[in-house]
Amino acid sequence: DGGITQSPKYLFRKEGQNVTLSCEQNLNHDAMYWYRQDPGQGLRLIYYSQIVNDFQKGDIAEGYSVSREKKESFPLTVTSAQKNPTAFYLCASNLQGIPDTQYFGPGTRLTVL
Amino acid sequence: AQSVAQPEDQVNVAEGNPLTVKCTYSVSGNPYLFWYVQYPNRGLQFLLKYITGDNLVKGSYGFEAEFNKSQTSFHLKKPSALVSDSALYFCAVRDLYNFNKFYFGSGTKLNVKP
Repeated sequence: DGGITQSPKYLFRKEGQNVTLSCEQNLNHDAMYWYRQDPGQGLRLIYYSQIVNDFQKGDIAEGYSVSREKKESFPLTVTSAQKNPTAFYLCASNLQGIPDTQYFGPGTRLTVL
Repeated sequence: AQSVAQPEDQVNVAEGNPLTVKCTYSVSGNPYLFWYVQYPNRGLQFLLKYITGDNLVKGSYGFEAEFNKSQTSFHLKKPSALVSDSALYFCAVRDLYNFNKFYFGSGTKLNVKP
């Protein structure tokens, strides 16, 4: 899982609550990403950030928010507006501007009770 | 738009037999292609990549992939499967116009039976 950590590994939330998933990397990567993975489906991009204090919406940004105050950190908040938040969330990062691979964290499994 | 397709949801193979996991791509221009493996409740692990050069790319754990431009394919192969290879495999392509976007296939579950 490279130099990317995600916490917590498992997270339970009651309906109507906001929760924040942590993602930290020590790879000195500029670009960071959040993906959502549902059973039997591929990865869907929620948000990505190419540089500190800047981020872009991915394909399924509704109900999610992010911040990028530090290069190493890219937390994801799952808000109460996300209607079906139960999923496996993956954070990733890569070097910017060259066709290198993406590195992934171990993931956080969020379950709404 | 860039995309990859994995036509098989599941591949079953006996231990010791060769395995192939299929991937086709659709890009305008030269593709940057990747294979990843995912074990249950884990993140994706990088296996190999094709950027340019030799069409046969060798990667981790004895896997290799063959880039075929005429067939727009990038199939993952291994000469002799192990039970421990059982996992979910993803093909991905990197956006040529925005290096910071990756497109992933839907994944193929590989089952290797003893």
